Amino acid sequence: RKEVEQDPGPFNVPEGATVAFNCTYSNSASQSFFWYRQDCRKEPKLLMSVYSSGNEDGRFTAQLNRASQYISLLIRDSKLSDSATYLCVVTRGGADGLTFGKGTHLIIQP
Amino acid sequence: GAVVSQHPSRVICKSGTSVKIECRSLDFQATTMFWYRQFPKQSLMLMATSNEGSKATYEQGVEKDKFLINHASLTLSTLTVTSAHPEDSSFYICSAAGTENTEAFFGQGTRLTVV
Repeated sequence: RKEVEQDPGPFNVPEGATVAFNCTYSNSASQSFFWYRQDCRKEPKLLMSVYSSGNEDGRFTAQLNRASQYISLLIRDSKLSDSATYLCVVTRGGADGLTFGKGTHLIIQP
Repeated sequence: GAVVSQHPSRVICKSGTSVKIECRSLDFQATTMFWYRQFPKQSLMLMATSNEGSKATYEQGVEKDKFLINHASLTLSTLTVTSAHPEDSSFYICSAAGTENTEAFFGQGTRLTVV
């Protein structure tokens, strides 16, 4: 089983719709979780951290389920500018490197 | 958020030459720096982890003599691709982390093309 798994998509979603995708991780010792957004040919940028209690930032909601070892990202009222690849990132903490999923490609259609 | 500057953003070099990529943390002390490589349509792959003042730890399959990493100060790490070949053409990204957090901040990336 891969350490971090994501559905690569692409997810084709009409503008204004709600879209959600999950990411599963295999290492139960993982401590920190993030969603990064990567635009084509650019570096990944932090979208949001994922906290145990779940967190929301505007149209974006992230949740963590430790028992089932997955994190989720929900995007409401999707915009054309949300089209990107969303990378699930997991770390065991400290100075450990980040482990990236392969990313989920999201395309918002007008 | 913290700023990490990576330079150059693009470089084209001839086969057999060496290329140096710099990664600087501008407003915090980066005790740990990570170097990643990303091929088209693939995820980031960690190449190596370096802690300031010590030798880098390379991931399996990454040649340490080919990808030289130096982390001589708390604000600068360099990756040198030695004797570059066309198959080394890729997007290289650094990220830096301080002592107090697990979040790593990314440089802008370097697109290397070896011709």
